[in-house]
Amino acid sequence: NAGVTQTPKFQVLKTGQSMTLQCAQDMNHNSMYWYRQDPGMGLRLIYYSASEGTTDKGEVPNGYNVSRLNKREFSLRLESAAPSQTSVYFCASSESLARYEQYFGPGTRLTVT
Amino acid sequence: QKEVEQNSGPLSVPEGAIASLNCTYSDRGSQSFFWYRQYSGKSPELIMSIYSNGDKEDGRFTAQLNKASQYVSLLIRDSQPSDSATYLCASSSNDYKLSFGAGTTVTVRA
Repeated sequence: NAGVTQTPKFQVLKTGQSMTLQCAQDMNHNSMYWYRQDPGMGLRLIYYSASEGTTDKGEVPNGYNVSRLNKREFSLRLESAAPSQTSVYFCASSESLARYEQYFGPGTRLTVT
Repeated sequence: QKEVEQNSGPLSVPEGAIASLNCTYSDRGSQSFFWYRQYSGKSPELIMSIYSNGDKEDGRFTAQLNKASQYVSLLIRDSQPSDSATYLCASSSNDYKLSFGAGTTVTVRA
């Protein structure tokens, strides 16, 4: 039982490059989330998926897209990376939106030069 | 104004002492509150949840909630070096999302 897994752990991109961050959970959770964490800013929600087949914008969605591939997997795509997207990205999951207890993956540290 | 505010710290306490962390929230509709612990370079880990006014104890941790004052706190008793981490306060919103504070960094000195 791995919980929430994320790949890659580290990534360096040049401005304008694209990439996809992968997330998978094996807890049979319905809801999944993508956050970014910047120093002094706390965790900010980028996108979330209440259940398979649905996605919604969070607090800071600009520059990102998401795909809920199936119940287990939720990916985050940066189409044209910018230095402002340098951050640590966390995926999380919960049983449902109404069950607020969220469980986090190990994170992806992304640097955009 | 941020939805969730935490005392910025850092907070340094001697081993064996009580560490007290405070958090205020702006959304009066918030019903659920959480404390996450985050070690340096690691992901947040849920350590406490509290839903009703009063105290909730779990081992050396006590969460306190006062909805009238929109205040949540976390006490860590008998602090250990392994408690050195950043503690994140989070509150729920009406649209089922969590709002996180920026965190308070705690250092327990031996």
